[in-house]
Amino acid sequence: DAGITQSPRHKVTETGTPVTLRCHQTENHRYMYWYRQDPGHGLRLIHYSYGVKDTDKGEVSDGYSVSRSKTEDFLLTLESATSSQTSVYFCAINQGGTEAFFGQGTRLTVV
Amino acid sequence: EDKVVQSPLSLVVHEGDTVTLNCSYEVTNFRSLLWYKQEKKAPTFLFMLTSSGIEKKSGRLSSILDKKELFSILNITATQTGDSAIYLCAVSRSGTYKYIFGTGTRLKVLA
Repeated sequence: DAGITQSPRHKVTETGTPVTLRCHQTENHRYMYWYRQDPGHGLRLIHYSYGVKDTDKGEVSDGYSVSRSKTEDFLLTLESATSSQTSVYFCAINQGGTEAFFGQGTRLTVV
Repeated sequence: EDKVVQSPLSLVVHEGDTVTLNCSYEVTNFRSLLWYKQEKKAPTFLFMLTSSGIEKKSGRLSSILDKKELFSILNITATQTGDSAIYLCAVSRSGTYKYIFGTGTRLKVLA
């Protein structure tokens, strides 16, 4: 398996609280991604990074921010969690020109 | 706006059947099309296609791309219960390495 670790794997949080999900890679890949997966919608891109401190928005970025201060870590923050952000979140990495490898996912429930 | 459409949305077959999954796309400056299999957890990579008409094959699975008609198919012959999964199609465009996913096809293979 590609060296990608997501933490936490499961989280329950209350509406209005901030939440940070972490993606850590040991592959030294340049590109990192955050997706959310919901029934009927497949995988939707939230944000991605093409290098340290270089990030760009995906198709569903509202309510989310990201940071990448080191090659190996890509953080996804929900500034004020809402019930619509209940989802399974996947991190992925890619070296460019090849396939993307996925982490095991984080199941987030906002109550 | 980039778009990836997969069909059918779901499919139920019996062991030994052959299935064809479809993926059509609209993307500016197409780079590649990827197929993934997702069982209970993270999507796992199957194929990457960049050139029209060249079949990629792995065991009972094969895939081909038509860049003129903007679609790809994934064939699975002699299906087994272990093929039950969600099959995801994704495309990327030149210059970004962002992957846009379809909603997936849920395949169930009955013994």
